Amino acid sequence: AQSVTQPDIHITVSEGASLELRCNYSYGATPYLFWYVQSPGQGLQLLLKYFSGDTLVQGIKGFEAEFKRSQSSFNLRKPSVHWSDAAEYFCAVGAGSSASKIIFGSGTRLSIRP
Amino acid sequence: GAVVSQHPSRVICKSGTSVKIECRSLDFQATTMFWYRQFPKQSLMLMATSNEGSKATYEQGVEKDKFLINHASLTLSTLTVTSAHPEDSSFYICSAMRMGSEAFFGQGTRLTVV
Repeated sequence: AQSVTQPDIHITVSEGASLELRCNYSYGATPYLFWYVQSPGQGLQLLLKYFSGDTLVQGIKGFEAEFKRSQSSFNLRKPSVHWSDAAEYFCAVGAGSSASKIIFGSGTRLSIRP
Repeated sequence: GAVVSQHPSRVICKSGTSVKIECRSLDFQATTMFWYRQFPKQSLMLMATSNEGSKATYEQGVEKDKFLINHASLTLSTLTVTSAHPEDSSFYICSAMRMGSEAFFGQGTRLTVV
C-alpha cells in the first residue's frame, strides 16, 4: 500500500536560514509526489509536484524538492526562509488513475525564529 | 488554475442534526472527487472517493451510513454528516480530479457540532 512518512513533527529554523523537510514514500510504481502547505485554519496550497522527468522540481515561493528513487525520498528545501513560511507542510503521494487519490504524510510544522 | 469551491466554509450544528457540505468544480468537469477529514493538529485522512453517477467508495473504518456522499453531476459532490455528534467536529476538505491533471482541493469546511 502507498504511504508517506514525514519523520519530523516540528522544526524550528531562524529567519534567513536554509530549510530541508524530509519525506519518504512507499509506492510500488513510479510515484506522483506532492508538497502542500497549510496555514492555520486554511486549506491546502500546492507548492510543487513531481510526475516524471527532471528529479529536481521547482515550486512556488522559492521552494524546491528533489526526487531520489534510490532513497525513496522527496525532500523539500528552501535556501532562505521567511517568517511567512511558518505553516504546516504535507508531503503526499498520488495513487490511482491520474494520481488523483492523494495520500498524505503526517505533516511537519515549521516555526520561524526571528 | 482549476478552482474547487466548498460551501459552507464554517458550520455549527446541534448534536443529532444533519449537515450538508458541497464541493463544486467551477471551471472543469470532475468525474471523481475525494473527501478528506482533518482533526486538529493531524494530517488529512481520505474518507471516500466520490464517483459521478455511481456509489461512493469508502475507506476502511468510515461509516457510509453516517457520511452520505452524492455525486449527482460532473461539477458537484455533497457530503452529508448524518446525526452529527461532537466527535464529528473536524475540518472536511474535498478535492476534484481534472482530466490530465492532478487533483485540486477546496478550501475546506470547519464543522463544529455542539
